[in-house]
Amino acid sequence: NAGVTQTPKFQVLKTGQSMTLQCAQDMNHEYMSWYRQDPGMGLRLIHYSVGAGITDQGEVPNGYNVSRSTTEDFPLRLLSAAPSQTSVYFCASSYVEQGIAANVLTFGAGSRLTVL
Amino acid sequence: SQQGEEDPQALSIQEGENATMNCSYKTSINNLQWYRQNSGRGLVHLILIRSNEREKHSGRLRVTLDTSKKSSSLLITASRAADTASYFCATPRKAGSARQLTFGSGTQLTVLP
Repeated sequence: NAGVTQTPKFQVLKTGQSMTLQCAQDMNHEYMSWYRQDPGMGLRLIHYSVGAGITDQGEVPNGYNVSRSTTEDFPLRLLSAAPSQTSVYFCASSYVEQGIAANVLTFGAGSRLTVL
Repeated sequence: SQQGEEDPQALSIQEGENATMNCSYKTSINNLQWYRQNSGRGLVHLILIRSNEREKHSGRLRVTLDTSKKSSSLLITASRAADTASYFCATPRKAGSARQLTFGSGTQLTVLP
């Protein structure tokens, strides 16, 4: 029972570099999402997806891209990293309830990103 | 601004005491969820309460929901040192966006042995 797997756990980037945070789930969840967690700010939604081929923006999407080519995977891409993107990133997934709502979220362990 | 906000920001109690945390939100909801986060880990779901429920229990957890006041509370009874964690409520980011769950800054609970 792997649940939600995030890689890498830690990453240090220089300003302007690009990278992809990987997220995979093995629960056949339709809904997947990315959050960032910063001190005093709670968790803020970056992007989410309700199924393969469908993605949408959350509260703080700027500077991030996503795609959903399979049900299992939902990578988060930083095209040109900035120090403001230093944060802990969490991927979460769930069933879609009645085709409408995200339900109980299962979270990954997080990826800590530092941009110098 | 956050849709759901927990208070207090921090709470320190002795083992065996009860801990109460509150969540206030701004828009209409279908349900409200509570999560726990241990230091350095991902969030773990605790309990979900639907908008037509006023109270729900799960083990030592008791959640109440008052939709007229747009508030919820999480009560942990007979707390243990292992309950030390941050607790978050999750609500839709805005009305009609049940696919966008948002979390407040959390309540940091410390249970002293």
